[in-house]
Amino acid sequence: GAVVSQHPSRVICKSGTSVKIECRSLDFQATTMFWYRQFPKQSLMLMATSNEGSKATYEQGVEKDKFLINHASLTLSTLTVTSAHPEDSSFYICSAAQEETQYFGPGTRLLVL
Amino acid sequence: DQQVKQNSPSLSVQEGRISILNCDYTNSMFDYFLWYKKYPAEGPTFLISISSIKDKNEDGRFTVFLNKSAKHLSLHIVPSQPGDSAVYFCAASPYSGGGADGLTFGKGTHLIIQP
Repeated sequence: GAVVSQHPSRVICKSGTSVKIECRSLDFQATTMFWYRQFPKQSLMLMATSNEGSKATYEQGVEKDKFLINHASLTLSTLTVTSAHPEDSSFYICSAAQEETQYFGPGTRLLVL
Repeated sequence: DQQVKQNSPSLSVQEGRISILNCDYTNSMFDYFLWYKKYPAEGPTFLISISSIKDKNEDGRFTVFLNKSAKHLSLHIVPSQPGDSAVYFCAASPYSGGGADGLTFGKGTHLIIQP
């Protein structure tokens, strides 16, 4: 149980385009999902908290207009990287909360050329 | 300011012996602690957790100890197996109910199990 999927697993895009990443909890409902980012050889950093039916809460330093989050249902949250630039290239990981524990998706590798 | 610290970037342990991974935290609001295992280019896999009302939690080969006064926790893996080789992240959260808060992660410890 407690399986979280992400799609796509890898994406390459041109600078200036937008990319959407989906996060799904497959076997449980999650009112809260989270988006993290990991740079090479660094820890996971929380970007935002996604609450079903309400606006996302962003961490300090994360641009909400650049990283659009939508949590339309109890099993799906999406992260859209708008007008992507090479510095947005990173490993993006989502998690879904089941009670106190967060279960993570497999991650999405984004490369912006 | 690193609120969750894993001071050992790597640890090498012989197969069959005990692996002890350490984690320190500075934020006294942290109330719930988790350990995750991670392979490159994959999401973290949940291993074990502990609430601040406990000082020990055990699940199979994995045991987590919490010393709240010292703001220190450790993960013990015994016996260590080759498949345990991975990066282990310590994570902390302010609340132990509802899962409503994002986690603060340490930088990870790369555990290498030697045959």
